[in-house]
Amino acid sequence: DAKTTQPNSMESNEEEPVHLPCNHSTISGTDYIHWYRQLPSQGPEYVIHGLTSNVNNRMASLAIAEDRKSSTLILHRATLRDAAVYYCILSPLYGGATNKLIFGTGTLLAVQP
Amino acid sequence: DAGITQSPRYKITETGRQVTLMCHQTWSHSYMFWYRQDLGHGLRLIYYSAAADITDKGEVPDGYVVSRSKTENFPLTLESATRSQTSVYFCASKSTGVSYEQYFGPGTRLTVT
Repeated sequence: DAKTTQPNSMESNEEEPVHLPCNHSTISGTDYIHWYRQLPSQGPEYVIHGLTSNVNNRMASLAIAEDRKSSTLILHRATLRDAAVYYCILSPLYGGATNKLIFGTGTLLAVQP
Repeated sequence: DAGITQSPRYKITETGRQVTLMCHQTWSHSYMFWYRQDLGHGLRLIYYSAAADITDKGEVPDGYVVSRSKTENFPLTLESATRSQTSVYFCASKSTGVSYEQYFGPGTRLTVT
């Protein structure tokens, strides 16, 4: 399974944009890039995923580098509720029909009021 | 209630005892997963299931047994609990098709004394 590298922690101010980076230099052509987050004392929740093109949804945007060796999760206006651990995960398109998610240790995002 | 539920939410057991953690989902999702989360390790996949009566090992299956006689239920059994199995356990489910989102339960905090 291809590996991802994320900073251990980041800080942001409330109502400011947050850019969470993820490096995945060994990504293969059929790996999707997934982002999940885990709020304190809760299970992880899906944020966004993409393959090659940038993606937007109601929660966030995902910017994928042209060579796909890195990506950035963008929270456009951080709120206190966005304080969480953010996981960048690669999962193959045809992952043995399971789409298994291999979690790393993620980035702990702190949001200051 | 619709969604994915886990029971019990908290459990204390003694070394050597058998304990079963329950997971129930109401979406009829084909895929179900069990993860454990320990400090410093993120989430690690224990077992997963692609459908009723189809299960397979994940990253850390030793000491655990699963079954899936019905689509909606995926119990995880620790046959002889050890202190190293003290952890928070998360169940997740995923549909087939174009959705790649895994839905996680609220977790079970298990302490083995």
